[in-house]
Amino acid sequence: GAGVSQSPRYKVAKRGQDVALRCDPISGHVSLFWYQQALGQGPEFLTYFQNEAQLDKSGLPSDRFFAERPEGSVSTLKIQRTQQEDSAVYLCASSIAGTTNYGYTFGSGTRLTVV
Amino acid sequence: AQRVTQPEKLLSVFKGAPVELKCNYSYSGSPELFWYVQYSRQRLQLLLRHISRESIKGFTADLNKGETSFHLKKPFAQEEDSAMYYCALPSGNTPLVFGKGTRLSVIA
Repeated sequence: GAGVSQSPRYKVAKRGQDVALRCDPISGHVSLFWYQQALGQGPEFLTYFQNEAQLDKSGLPSDRFFAERPEGSVSTLKIQRTQQEDSAVYLCASSIAGTTNYGYTFGSGTRLTVV
Repeated sequence: AQRVTQPEKLLSVFKGAPVELKCNYSYSGSPELFWYVQYSRQRLQLLLRHISRESIKGFTADLNKGETSFHLKKPFAQEEDSAMYYCALPSGNTPLVFGKGTRLSVIA
């Protein structure tokens, strides 16, 4: 597609519920990144894929967070047993190459609210 | 560890006044630095990158290795420049690390 597409745009989850957030990167982009942006903060790195390989998941805050990109295109970020502190905007970005020199193209994000 | 610091949460300037958004970094090596911008109700987008030495929408940024800074500057602010600005630092193949951002408000 023309840009990075994320769905849903908004998600309200009850505490303890599982959620799945989808990211559809730009076609042909090798790298895909997930970031978490809390209110008033900058984006915080969660995890990174190069094609289908998850190269870095050091930013995932707990084992309740899981991400996959099985065919090297669409990615899903899953959060199990959501907690109130998981409330944030989840941003997905893709990049044409394996390095950051070209910058990233971001999606509009999914705003998750845990009540 | 690499770190990006944007000391100002909010910067207010009058239209036509010069703008400087500060960014300091901590990185051992030759850094690549970026500025990203987020206008109201729009997605985060690349404004400029150090490696290309380009000027976008009148903004420039110079890497000062001695002061470990990459401040964003514009000689004459416009109302449409009001937005959130984020400085970011990568390290080769590792993902971008963002600062906390500065909200620029240009007052007419």
